[in-house]
Amino acid sequence: GESVGLHLPTLSVQEGDNSIINCAYSNSASDYFIWYKQESGKGPQFIIDIRSNMDKRQGQRVTVLLNKTVKHLSLQIAATQPGDSAVYFCADTSGYSTLTFGKGTMLLVSP
Amino acid sequence: DTAVSQTPKYLVTQMGNDKSIKCEQNLGHDTMYWYKQDSKKFLKIMFSYNNKELIINETVPNRFSPKSPDKAHLNLHINSLELGDSAVYFCASSHPSGNEKLFFGSGTQLSVL
Repeated sequence: GESVGLHLPTLSVQEGDNSIINCAYSNSASDYFIWYKQESGKGPQFIIDIRSNMDKRQGQRVTVLLNKTVKHLSLQIAATQPGDSAVYFCADTSGYSTLTFGKGTMLLVSP
Repeated sequence: DTAVSQTPKYLVTQMGNDKSIKCEQNLGHDTMYWYKQDSKKFLKIMFSYNNKELIINETVPNRFSPKSPDKAHLNLHINSLELGDSAVYFCASSHPSGNEKLFFGSGTQLSVL
């Protein structure tokens, strides 16, 4: 079946750097996309979402970019902090179907 | 106040036993889910309930039986536990209107020995 996947399983950055986590999705009908952050021992937490009628959305220190032409989603974290260390998941859905999660990227931030 | 709470946090048991995981949400959502996360962190949906009715049942063995006494609760009962059932199980909830984010519980780590 169709699935959402990530290019990099682990991303290591220095504190203060900007981080970019990428995601490729395969369902061309997907119209809603979410990024989740999962810290060790916790459940996934919502970070930011974007609908298919937009190509960019900004939150606090985070920006999500959507390129529907190439079915690519990215999460940019500005001034990465040690507290940003976690596994990040992208997820997509279309219509009333349930979210399909990608495999996750671990972000490691060193001081 | 915890929005989606599940108990227990950890569950260690022997093969062949029967166990249950409980989940409650106080967000007023109509839809609840169970996800299984394997050792590689892959999240896979198991079940989805909308207002106490089963709407999604992925290819999960029938040893797994969800029960929803009301729309705020979705419990997961597992019979005859097997080694391969070891994983982290997450409960989640959302509005049923589609294209809505899920709110997750903190997970139950199940270890079958």
